[in-house]
This record gives sequence, structure tokens and C-alpha cells, in this order.
Amino acid sequence: GQQLNQSPQSMFIQEGEDVSMNCTSSSIFNTWLWYKQDPGEGPVLLIALYKAGELTSNGRLTAQFGITRKDSFLNISASIPSDVGIYFCAGQGPRRDDKIIFGKGTRLHILP
Amino acid sequence: DVKVTQSSRYLVKRTGEKVFLECVQDMDHENMFWYRQDPGLGLRLIYFSYDVKMKEKGDIPEGYSVSREKKERFSLILESASTNQTSMYLCASLNSPGRKSNQPQHFGDGTRLSIL
Repeated sequence: GQQLNQSPQSMFIQEGEDVSMNCTSSSIFNTWLWYKQDPGEGPVLLIALYKAGELTSNGRLTAQFGITRKDSFLNISASIPSDVGIYFCAGQGPRRDDKIIFGKGTRLHILP
Repeated sequence: DVKVTQSSRYLVKRTGEKVFLECVQDMDHENMFWYRQDPGLGLRLIYFSYDVKMKEKGDIPEGYSVSREKKERFSLILESASTNQTSMYLCASLNSPGRKSNQPQHFGDGTRLSIL
């Protein structure tokens, strides 16, 4: 079946640094989604991508749908303390019955 | 904005009890999902439903059942709770691909269930 690999598993950065994380899949996707989950809360959608090559921004966040349709990147610029949390990628294949598949998440820590 | 509401944020039950987790969405979405989230394992799909009274097994349906009697409500049932079902449970809803394709899922805030 389809598999999604998200890396890195954890990141430790200084406040103000830029951050980059990515997801790769074993097969092509039609949709890439990026979520953030704060402790004790459900995931909240950050960015949705629907087209290969698409680059979309949401404030300091930018995500790209890879040209091969098998990868996606999320960048956070000038990180701030409230960026701490777990970031999940998710993707869905082109068939109507393809389920949404989630990566295992990247936990972002910001050092004082 | 889509609102997905899970009835409890925290729940503590005993082994062998029948447990009901309720989820309600207010956007007339056809599709609803139940996931569990465990450290190191990410989000795993338990069951989903694409219409009233319709259900499909996800990746880990064993020990669970679901009920979708009304479009806005999707219930997850643990028939006889066991300690390995202690987890964070997340409900999500999604519009139908046939109506507007590839709409993002919207999640509830989760229910942290502990089975003693």
C-alpha cells in the first residue's frame, strides 16, 4: 500500500531560525496537506496543496507540492515560540477510493 | 468554519467496559473518520463512514465498532475496553470528493481515553 515518510522526526532550533521539513511517498498523490498539532489538541490544517509544483504561503509558512507528485516540503521562516508543536503531512492519491494517509509527524522544539 | 466536536476531552474507563466516543460535525460533510494517535505511530485510521449507515474498516478496526445513524454524528464504540486501547482518539470530517474534490479533513480536539 501507499506509504508516507516524514522527516525529520524531531527538530531543535533557536528562535528566529528558519525551519524546513519534508514528506515523501511511495506513490503519486493528488493532494498534500500540512497540519500542526498543539499538545492536547486536534490537528489544525495549515496549508493544502492540489497541484504539482504549487507553492503556497500562509503567513510565515510556505509549502510546496513536489513536481514528481511524490513529495512535499514545509518551510517556516523566522520561528517564534508558538511554532512549537507537531507538524503532520498528509496526502491522498488520485483514485476516488484512496484514503488520506498521514506521516508520523515532525516535533519542533524551540530552544530559548 | 467547520466545527468538529468530540463529546469528551478526557475519559477514564475500566477494562471490560463498553465505551462510546461521540463526534458531531456541523458542515453537512458526507465523510467522517475515527483515528487513534499513539507516540511514535502517528495517526492510524480505525473506521470511516462515507454516508449515513455506511461504514468501512480502516487500518486497525479490531476491538472497535462504529455507528452512523445521522449524517452529523459518528460514534466509535469499544465493545469491551482493554488497556491497549488507551490512546488519543481523533474524529475528522471531510466533504465528498464528488461534490468538491480533495477537500482537507477537519479534526476535532481529540478524546484522551485511559483504560484502567
